[in-house]
Amino acid sequence: KAGVTQTPRYLIKTRGQQVTLSCSPISGHRSVSWYQQTPGQGLQFLFEYFSETQRNKGNFPGRFSGRQFSNSRSEMNVSTLELGDSALYLCASSHRGATYEQYFGPGTRLTVT
Amino acid sequence: QKEVEQDPGPLSVPEGAIVSLNCTYSNSAFQYFMWYRQYSRKGPELLMYTYSSGNKEDGRFTAQVDKSSKYISLFIRDSQPSDSATYLCAMNPNDYKLSFGAGTTVTVRA
Repeated sequence: KAGVTQTPRYLIKTRGQQVTLSCSPISGHRSVSWYQQTPGQGLQFLFEYFSETQRNKGNFPGRFSGRQFSNSRSEMNVSTLELGDSALYLCASSHRGATYEQYFGPGTRLTVT
Repeated sequence: QKEVEQDPGPLSVPEGAIVSLNCTYSNSAFQYFMWYRQYSRKGPELLMYTYSSGNKEDGRFTAQVDKSSKYISLFIRDSQPSDSATYLCAMNPNDYKLSFGAGTTVTVRA
């Protein structure tokens, strides 16, 4: 069974721009979570989607948004990029939202200049 | 104070040694306790999870949870250079998200 895939793997953007990252969960998984990983803050929860509904959101500004499609694929969007948004963005999927069995993708490395 | 505290290390051990990793936490509502391994420039890989207190063994890995002390541990026996990675503990404050420790960087010297 294929794992979680994320595209693109690397991205360089300029301050003020916006970016969209994509995540395809493991086949059959309906829950998708997004995390931001930085050296200073570690892994921080962004939001979680299940059956196209956002069930929980972390403490991030409204510039961070996401959505999930009927095929469980998910996208996250960051508008008006800031230098501090440079991070590894990780997507994780699970079968029914069981946090104890989340499987992560390789991440998208976003650099904001 | 963070919900989950984990010593970032780094930790360096000779091949064959036992690696001991631990995390402490403050939220008594945590029910599931996970350990992830993350290699450089990769996503975290789930090693194992434990529900409530107790021990769980999987090959060379043993996870322990002591809810009374709010303390969890991961032991790696017969460590190999391929075990060199960052190890992250994680816990669930609710059904939808995980709270992670900072991660401990481990190097196993050949």
